[in-house]
Amino acid sequence: KAGVTQTPRYLIKTRGQQVTLSCSPISGHRSVSWYQQTPGQGLQFLFEYFSETQRNKGNFPGRFSGRQFSNSRSEMNVSTLELGDSALYLCASSDTRTGRPSGYGYTFGSGTRLTVV
Amino acid sequence: KQEVTQIPAALSVPEGENLVLNCSFTDSAIYNLQWFRQDPGKGLTSLLLIQSSQREQTSGRLNASLDKSSGRSTLYIAASQPGDSATYLCAVPQGGKLIFGQGTELSVKP
Repeated sequence: KAGVTQTPRYLIKTRGQQVTLSCSPISGHRSVSWYQQTPGQGLQFLFEYFSETQRNKGNFPGRFSGRQFSNSRSEMNVSTLELGDSALYLCASSDTRTGRPSGYGYTFGSGTRLTVV
Repeated sequence: KQEVTQIPAALSVPEGENLVLNCSFTDSAIYNLQWFRQDPGKGLTSLLLIQSSQREQTSGRLNASLDKSSGRSTLYIAASQPGDSATYLCAVPQGGKLIFGQGTELSVKP
């Protein structure tokens, strides 16, 4: 069974630009969640999508947005990039159902390293 | 609000030593607890998942225990090797997301 695929692996962008990251979950998983990891803040939850609907959202500004397609693939978009957006962005896939966590846990992708200059 | 804490933040041991990493959580009403490993600049690799009804899970040289009543989990690594050097994170699901500890950075010296 293929794992969680994140593309691209590395990105360098300039302040003010926008960026789109992609995540393909494990086949059959309908939940995709996104996390930002920085040395100072650790892992912070961005949002979760389930069956094309945003189900949960973390405390990030509106510049951070996402969507999920009918095949469960998800994209995350950051507009008007700031230096502080430089981070490792991780996507996680799970087979969670409505109202309860997955009994099989979460599987993470390898991440996208975003550098804003 | 669930909070997860990991102690110590960093640990350095000689090769061959047995070691214990600690994880504590404030809300004992957890569904399960997951241990991950992260190598520098990489994603998270799931090591062990313990359901709330379980006390232990084992995989090779790794053994994770769970004591919900005291809000604690431990990850035991037997006969440590330099390849075990990484950051170890524990996490519990809540509100559709994982709540992570800050991690323990482990260094195993040859």
